[in-house]
Amino acid sequence: GAVVSQHPSRVICKSGTSVKIECRSLDFQATTMFWYRQFPKKSLMLMATSNEGSKATYEQGVEKDKFLINHASLTLSTLTVTSAHPEDSSFYICSARVGLAVFTDTQYFGPGTRLTVL
Amino acid sequence: AQSVAQPEDQVNVAEGNPLTVKCTYSVSGNPYLFWYVQYPNRGLQFLLKYITGDNLVKGSYGFEAEFNKSQTSFHLKKPSALVSDSALYFCAVRDPMNRDDKIIFGKGTRLHILP
Repeated sequence: GAVVSQHPSRVICKSGTSVKIECRSLDFQATTMFWYRQFPKKSLMLMATSNEGSKATYEQGVEKDKFLINHASLTLSTLTVTSAHPEDSSFYICSARVGLAVFTDTQYFGPGTRLTVL
Repeated sequence: AQSVAQPEDQVNVAEGNPLTVKCTYSVSGNPYLFWYVQYPNRGLQFLLKYITGDNLVKGSYGFEAEFNKSQTSFHLKKPSALVSDSALYFCAVRDPMNRDDKIIFGKGTRLHILP
C-alpha cells in the first residue's frame, strides 16, 4: 500500500516556541493531504484539508494562524504549530489521498507525531 | 450530516475465537465505509473499504466486514482472533452527497485478544 511518513515522530518543546511537522507521501503523489489531531483515548479530529498549491481549508474552531499548513509540493505538506502552549500537546497525524477519485480513493495515514509542550 | 457510531468502547475476545467490532452509520446517500486499525503510538493503517458491489468485503490480516444497508451497519469480523490483533479500531464513513473530501471517524473500539 501507499506509504506516508511524518517527521519528527516525537518532539518536546518549550512554551512559546514554534514546531514544524512534515508529512511526506513516499511512493505516490498526493494532491490532497489531511491533518488530524488525536487526544488520548479519543477519535481523530480533522483540523484541515491541504491541497497542493492552494490555501488549506480549516475546520470550524481550528485557528489558521495557530496551525499553519503549507502544501508546497505533491509529496510534502507541513504543519507548523506557532507559539505552542501546553494545551497544544497532542498526537498529530497526517494522511494523504491516493488518486483523484475524491469519494472512493483511500486515505493513507502517517505514523503520527507526538508533540509535548512544556 | 454523516455520522458513524461504534457502540463498544472495548471488546474482549479469547485467542482463536471469532471477533466482531460493531459499526453503524448515518448518511444521506449510499455510504462509502472504511475500517482502520491503530497500534499504540502509531498512525492508522487501512484495513478495508466498501464502495459498491459485494456486501462482504475482505481486507488485510484476515479481516472482513459486511455492509448491511437495512441495518445501516458495517461490522468488522475475523473468524479466529490473534493476540497481535489487539489494537484500536476505527470505523469511518464518507457521504457522497457531501461535496468534500472529509471522512468521519467513529470514536474507536479497543480490541483486547486474551491469550
